[in-house]
Formats: sequence, C-alpha cells, structure tokens
Amino acid sequence: GAVVSQHPSRVICKSGTSVKIECRSLDFQATTMFWYRQFPKKSLMLMATSNEGSKATYEQGVEKDKFLINHASLTLSTLTVTSAHPEDSSFYICSATERGRGVSYNEQFFGPGTRLTVL
Amino acid sequence: GNSVTQMEGPVTLSEEAFLTINCTYTATGYPSLFWYVQYPGEGLQLLLKATKADDKGSNKGFEATYRKETTSFHLEKGSVQVSDSAVYFCALSYNQGGKLIFGQGTELSVKP
Repeated sequence: GAVVSQHPSRVICKSGTSVKIECRSLDFQATTMFWYRQFPKKSLMLMATSNEGSKATYEQGVEKDKFLINHASLTLSTLTVTSAHPEDSSFYICSATERGRGVSYNEQFFGPGTRLTVL
Repeated sequence: GNSVTQMEGPVTLSEEAFLTINCTYTATGYPSLFWYVQYPGEGLQLLLKATKADDKGSNKGFEATYRKETTSFHLEKGSVQVSDSAVYFCALSYNQGGKLIFGQGTELSVKP
C-alpha cells in the first residue's frame, strides 16, 4: 500500500514550452503533497507544499508563476513548469502524506521522480 | 537555519562488511530524524526513524540512534548485502506531516 506514481518518468522539451508532471497516490487519499527538486549529487530541495483544494505554499526563492502547482483532488497533484529553460532541467520528485493515518507523524510516500531535460 | 550534513559518497564496500554513514544536524528544539533509502529507479522509502533523544530506529538490519549531545544520527549495519546498494538520505522534520529537510545523500555500492 501507499504507492505514489509520477508521469511521465522522463520528458525532453524545447526551451520556451511548458511541461506538466502528474503525481498520483494510487491506493490512499493524500491530504498533502510535496514537490521536490533534486540536482545531481545534491539533496532534495522542497519547492512547495500543496493541500487538496487550496493554493500551494511555495518555499522561499521558488517562483510560483514559473512552477504552477494544482492539487485538484485527494489523489492527484500536478506541477507545470511554464516557459521552461535549460536551467530548469532537473529531477522532480513528489511525495504525499496519507489522510488520517493515525500515527504520531504522517509519513511521506515518495514517487519515483520525473527527469526533465530542457533543450 | 536547520540543516543536515551527511558524509560524502560514494561508499564502496564488500559484501558482509560493516557500514557506517555519518549524519549530523543543526536544528533548534527537538526534531524527528529519519533515514530514507532510494534504490535505483525507485522513489525514496522510509528506512527508519527516531522521534526523541536516545531513541534507536531500526529496520532491515540497519540502526541509527538519536544523539542529541552530538547532534548525530549515524546509520549502521553490521553486514551489508549487494541488495543494500542504494542512495541513503538523512533527514529531519519538526511537524506532523510537515516538510523534510534532507542531507545531500550518500551513495552506497556493495560488491560481491
């Protein structure tokens, strides 16, 4: 249980285009979803936190108009990289916490990541 | 601010060797501490956790003890296997379901 999927797993796009990445919780309802960015040999950097039905909360330094996050349902969140440029090339990872898991903290379940390459 | 520092990788060991991956943190108060593992081509998985000082988290032969006096949470395993080859991330969090602050990850490669 507690499986998170991401689609696509890999995408290559031209500079100036927009790319949408989907994050789905397959067998649970996700109260909160998180979006991370991971650079080679670097840690995961939290970009934003999204709660179903409300606006995402972005971390300092993350452009909200550049990285649009929508959490329309309890099982789906999307990240759209608008007008992508080569510097946006990275590995994007989502995670989700389960509603009402009833433990002292809500464990985050991670998707496998999406490799974005902007030419 | 809050941060997590891990030892540099990659770490290469022979099967059945002893493993230690160092992790230290900087934080105010009493965060919860975690180790996550990322196998090739897969998402991060929680390996173990500790929520207060002197707690020991353990799973699959891995252990880590929350040491507040040294602000450390080192990961250990007595005898590694080839299947343990992965990237290991140390992390901290304050809030229930809240955001995680990760270390930079340590790649482990175990040779037969």
